[in-house]
Amino acid sequence: EIVLTQSPATLSLSPGERATLSCRASQSISSYLAWYQQKPGQAPRLLIYDASNRATGIPARFSGSGSGTDFTLTISSLEPEDFAVYYCQQRSTWLTFGGGTKVEIK
Amino acid sequence: QLQLQESGPGLVKPSETLSLTCTVSGGSISSSSYYWGWIRQPPGKGLEWIGNIYYSGSTYYNPSLKSRVTISVDTSKNQFSLKLSSVTAADTAVYYCGRSLAARIYDAFDIWGQGTMVTVSS
Repeated sequence: EIVLTQSPATLSLSPGERATLSCRASQSISSYLAWYQQKPGQAPRLLIYDASNRATGIPARFSGSGSGTDFTLTISSLEPEDFAVYYCQQRSTWLTFGGGTKVEIK
Repeated sequence: QLQLQESGPGLVKPSETLSLTCTVSGGSISSSSYYWGWIRQPPGKGLEWIGNIYYSGSTYYNPSLKSRVTISVDTSKNQFSLKLSSVTAADTAVYYCGRSLAARIYDAFDIWGQGTMVTVSS
């Protein structure tokens, strides 16, 4: 099983600041990584697929990078609606998710 | 636009079988362009993939759940279903159905249902 480790567990930032979230895979997954945003009581929303491709309708302030074992989701300038939990997911060997990073208001 | 809706009992007794259905509207489950899947999330915890199915009936399961999971498809009703046997309290979770981004067995999910809470308790 490929284990995804997300860090930090919690990120405390203010609106307008830059958010950098990390996802590390236990073995190489090429670029087969996706990022999701989840708000309380809602289903996850796909943001990024295959490491760096924005899903339909996702604002340009969200960007993804990385390959192999180390990946990053960057939110260039946090909007009030961006405070949520973010999950990474790999599709190299079946499907597994990371434990999540909560982006909270400082 | 395409929508997914989960349905089924919200309470299941230990050792029994959990059964859920996902109804697809606004599009056809028989499209060759997508796979369909189940994902769950225990209260306050992260996401776990359960399994995927293609409209042809081909299935792919999480190895850790494979012995207890059956996913099936009913193209005439535009639905796919999940059965999880011998449930315990550890199976208490919000269960989501989803559609894959493309025609790949393993893929990101770009469309999700709203989720349904299932509690395992006597």
